[in-house]
Order: sequence, then structure tokens, then C-alpha cells
Amino acid sequence: KQEVTQIPAALSVPEGENLVLNCSFTDSAIYNLQWFRQDPGKGLTSLLLIQSSQREQTSGRLNASLDKSSGRSTLYIAASQPGDSATYLCAPVLTQGGSEKLVFGKGTKLTVNP
Amino acid sequence: NAGVTQTPKFQVLKTGQSMTLQCAQDMNHEYMSWYRQDPGMGLRLIHYSVGAGITDQGEVPNGYNVSRSTTEDFPLRLLSAAPSQTSVYFCASSYFYWNTGELFFGEGSRLTVL
Repeated sequence: KQEVTQIPAALSVPEGENLVLNCSFTDSAIYNLQWFRQDPGKGLTSLLLIQSSQREQTSGRLNASLDKSSGRSTLYIAASQPGDSATYLCAPVLTQGGSEKLVFGKGTKLTVNP
Repeated sequence: NAGVTQTPKFQVLKTGQSMTLQCAQDMNHEYMSWYRQDPGMGLRLIHYSVGAGITDQGEVPNGYNVSRSTTEDFPLRLLSAAPSQTSVYFCASSYFYWNTGELFFGEGSRLTVL
């Protein structure tokens, strides 16, 4: 069964700290990977989409990397702010048997304290 | 440009009742899908559509029906509600044919079945 694991499940940091969220997946046949942000009671917002041919993507203070061979992706948040507090989910599109399947991790709940 | 709009935001049903969750997008996306999000389970795909007139089952389709008569709308019907269907439901859409592109989510519909 294809699985996506996000570690840690929860993280609390002081404002200004740089931090890394981790995502690992069991299948190396990956099409692409998205990182999402979910605020309480809200839907998911796409942050970054990394294609399988890419190693990383950057948007503002966010940088996501992808290592297909090891089945890992990281989301780096620089100079964290209280407004970054949310749950972050990774979702690789895994290829198996000729079809693609989007699989969500359970997320990392981030709290940035002022 | 409203993006993905879901209605209602909240609904309480009694066991055995039926209802329809509405989803509309104004981005001319071909791909639309329904997910449910449960604590500790992550997001699971219920049904999806790759264009008007075309629907298919996802990971957890039992107890739900869908149809896609227009590009814009993708309603989810609960035929006979059960307590196990208590969840938060999200509709998502993508420009690309499959769920390999950036996904746009609605804000969710919180359903409680008594």
C-alpha cells in the first residue's frame, strides 16, 4: 500500500526561527509532489508543486525539495511568522501500474509563537 | 473569480436522510473531485470526474453518488446518510486532465449525521 508519512505531527517554534517539515513516501515512482497549507476550518491551499524532473521549488520564504531516490521531500520555511501557523500537508502523485494516484499525508501542525 | 465554491458549509442530518453537497468552479477546470477528511485518516478520495459526463470511483465511494452534467458543477449525493459519513467534505478541481496538476480546494462542508 502506498503511504505518505509526515514528521513531526506537530511542531511549535518561536517567531523568526527557520524550520523544516519532512515528508516521506513508500513509492519512488513519483509523478510530482504538492505541498498544501490548511488553516483551521478552511480548505487546502496549494503552496508549491514540484515536478518529478525538478529537485526543488521556491516561493518567497518557502522552499520545497524532492529526492525521488530516497522517497523524501522537505518544506523549508525561513524566518517563520505567527501567520505561518497552520497544518501543512504533502501529497505526492505516485505512479503504479500505469496509473497515477494522489496520496495525502496526515500533515504537520505548525504553531509559530510571537 | 470565486474559485471552488461549496455549499452548504454546515449540515446536520438524521440517519437515513439524503442530501446533496454542491460544488461549483469557475476556472473551466476539467478535473473535479470529492474528498473526505477525518481525524487521523487524512484526505481520502470519494469520486472524481475528468470532464462533463465522465465520473469514476475513488478510494471510498460507497454510499455516495456523483454526476457531472456541466464542466462547472460536480454535486455529491448521500443516498441514505449513516453516522460513519460524519466528516468534512472537500471539493477540488484542477486544470489538467488528471489530478497531476495544481489542485484548488473549496472551503469544505462539515456534515454531521445523528
